[in-house]
Amino acid sequence: QSALTQPASVSGSPGQSITLSCTGTSSDVGGYDFVSWYQQHPGKAPKPMIFDVNNRPSGVSDRFSGSKSGNTASLTISGLQAEDEADYYCSSYTSSNTEVFGTGTKVTVL
Amino acid sequence: EVQLLESGGGLVQPGGSLRLSCAASGFTFKNYAMLWVRQAPGKGLEWVSGISGSGDDTYYADSVKGRFTISRDNSKNTLFLQVTSLRAEDTAVYFCAKGPHSGSPRPDYWGQGTLVNVSS
Repeated sequence: QSALTQPASVSGSPGQSITLSCTGTSSDVGGYDFVSWYQQHPGKAPKPMIFDVNNRPSGVSDRFSGSKSGNTASLTISGLQAEDEADYYCSSYTSSNTEVFGTGTKVTVL
Repeated sequence: EVQLLESGGGLVQPGGSLRLSCAASGFTFKNYAMLWVRQAPGKGLEWVSGISGSGDDTYYADSVKGRFTISRDNSKNTLFLQVTSLRAEDTAVYFCAKGPHSGSPRPDYWGQGTLVNVSS
């Protein structure tokens, strides 16, 4: 199972909106509405931010939203804040009943 | 509060073995799938293995199939990962994670991880 493709880095200024992409295949992202997004700060465990394409776990800011079109999922961060600077990983359920992660995107707040 | 505490990591020579453990608390352990995810130093996340709540169904990434074995003891709320025939590329922090229900491979709670360092 190949990793999902994410851009290596995305940056934005405070208050701006940015969108991260996550591209897979019809055997993962395109085949199921089971895409998740995780935020990871250095030295910390990943934190779930979105599950099932566009659902937020309790306690996650509504500045984070998810969507999907075909084999590509997206995470939008609105009103970018300094604390949003982190690595972001997407993941998807696969046809093998496993999960596959994306390559990761480093978000920089300018 | 869900808590997952990994242990068992350490320095091991290539070809060696280790048994990782994950002590779980704060939820009804037998009702949830459990997972292992790893992260090599400076690299991304890699889903490694998953096991259903009952323990009847197990799943592995191709990169570890035949070398790693996942298991669980529902009487002791503990998850295990037996890792054998270790290679340098298995060096990583291994995270224990809980699934959102018995059959899902998606992590919704994570432990802090245990480091496995494969080196001679």
